[in-house]
Amino acid sequence: ETAVFQTPNYHVTQVGNEVSFNCKQTLGHDTMYWYKQDSKKLLKIMFSYNNKQLIVNETVPRRFSPQSSDKAHLNLRIKSVEPEDSAVYLCASSPGLGYEQYFGPGTRLTVL
Amino acid sequence: GQQVQQSPASLVLQEGENAELQCNFSTSLNSMQWFYQRPGGSLVSLFYNPSGTKHSGRLTSTTVIKERRSSLHISSSQTTDSGTYLCARMDSNYQLIWGSGTKLIIKP
Repeated sequence: ETAVFQTPNYHVTQVGNEVSFNCKQTLGHDTMYWYKQDSKKLLKIMFSYNNKQLIVNETVPRRFSPQSSDKAHLNLRIKSVEPEDSAVYLCASSPGLGYEQYFGPGTRLTVL
Repeated sequence: GQQVQQSPASLVLQEGENAELQCNFSTSLNSMQWFYQRPGGSLVSLFYNPSGTKHSGRLTSTTVIKERRSSLHISSSQTTDSGTYLCARMDSNYQLIWGSGTKLIIKP
């Protein structure tokens, strides 16, 4: 049963545009994450957000930024997309730091 | 360097055979998870296994912290087990560091 929801499922855009992806969890969890999965299926952490504390992976370009209105929502904004941003973006949540993580279905971004 | 080494990269078995998947970690292990990724891309958590052995139906996960390794055993494989299996360890920031995955194909 899906409890981490992501929209949209797919998004196609052009270089330089701004995009925003939504993530909502209904599990009552305190911590949320964003991961990127590239064309080779390799997954990398981008951000984690716990009690308003943001942890950023140092390799994430500054055009990426997470946005949270409450602990159930963590959106991902990309200010000016680049071709290398084409990937699947996966959102996850956990009860707190160090606990099991649960994933949404992902958003596939294609940058033309 | 690669912090999580997953093997084999791919595995082809006949239905009914057992599958053994391995993950080795180059750094100390806080915790780890095993996932199944459906062909459509969604990730399903199979085990959250910081240490020891856990069972779920035909699946068994064993994590040995001092040896920095974890395994996933699938007994009596079925064609519906086909897909990609991923392991991930938790780093000091409680974020998941991923293996490169094992693509499992079960032939009827």
